[in-house]
Amino acid sequence: DTAVSQTPKYLVTQMGNDKSIKCEQNLGHDTMYWYKQDSKKFLKIMFSYNNKELIINETVPNRFSPKSPDKAHLNLHINSLELGDSAVYFCASSDPTGQGQNIQYFGAGTRLSVL
Amino acid sequence: GENVEQHPSTLSVQEGDSAVIKCTYSDSASNYFPWYKQELGKRPQLIIDIRSNVGEKKDQRIAVTLNKTAKHFSLHITETQPEDSAVYFCAASLNTGGFKTIFGAGTRLFVKA
Repeated sequence: DTAVSQTPKYLVTQMGNDKSIKCEQNLGHDTMYWYKQDSKKFLKIMFSYNNKELIINETVPNRFSPKSPDKAHLNLHINSLELGDSAVYFCASSDPTGQGQNIQYFGAGTRLSVL
Repeated sequence: GENVEQHPSTLSVQEGDSAVIKCTYSDSASNYFPWYKQELGKRPQLIIDIRSNVGEKKDQRIAVTLNKTAKHFSLHITETQPEDSAVYFCAASLNTGGFKTIFGAGTRLFVKA
């Protein structure tokens, strides 16, 4: 069983379109994340949700809207796609411990190409 | 906010040699420091982590050290093997009402056979 699964794996689309990426985790974790990894491999946090509530929003444009219907799912919708949105998007989940440990489990990534 | 710097950006070693990757962080409130390995085309995966109340941790050929005073931490890989070739990310994590993890820019490690 895949612990954190995201779909689609690849997404090729035109500028100006709207697209969604879905993420599901079966680990029972309360916390989920979206990261963007650009062509230089820099891994940058975008959003963090805890039990369906947004807790971290890292100055991401309003065109990006995460939605968490339940704590096992965190989807990412992107409006009016731009060339600069091309990247690999990783979903992750974790179950932070009271001792401060916060191991994140990543999905396989969605490679978004905006033409 | 937290800033994590990682060096070097690229590291090439001969099989069997050691590799060291260094990171510094800016926010003294950070209390958890994981290291992730990302093989080409794959997802990042945790290889080792250290909490702020520990100075060193070892797991077989990999070890991590933490100097809280200087705000830096390092990954040491001994007896490197070709399968160690990957991008390694350090990270610093703190609880700001939710756990926020800031990643370093990554180190691309090449192990030559």
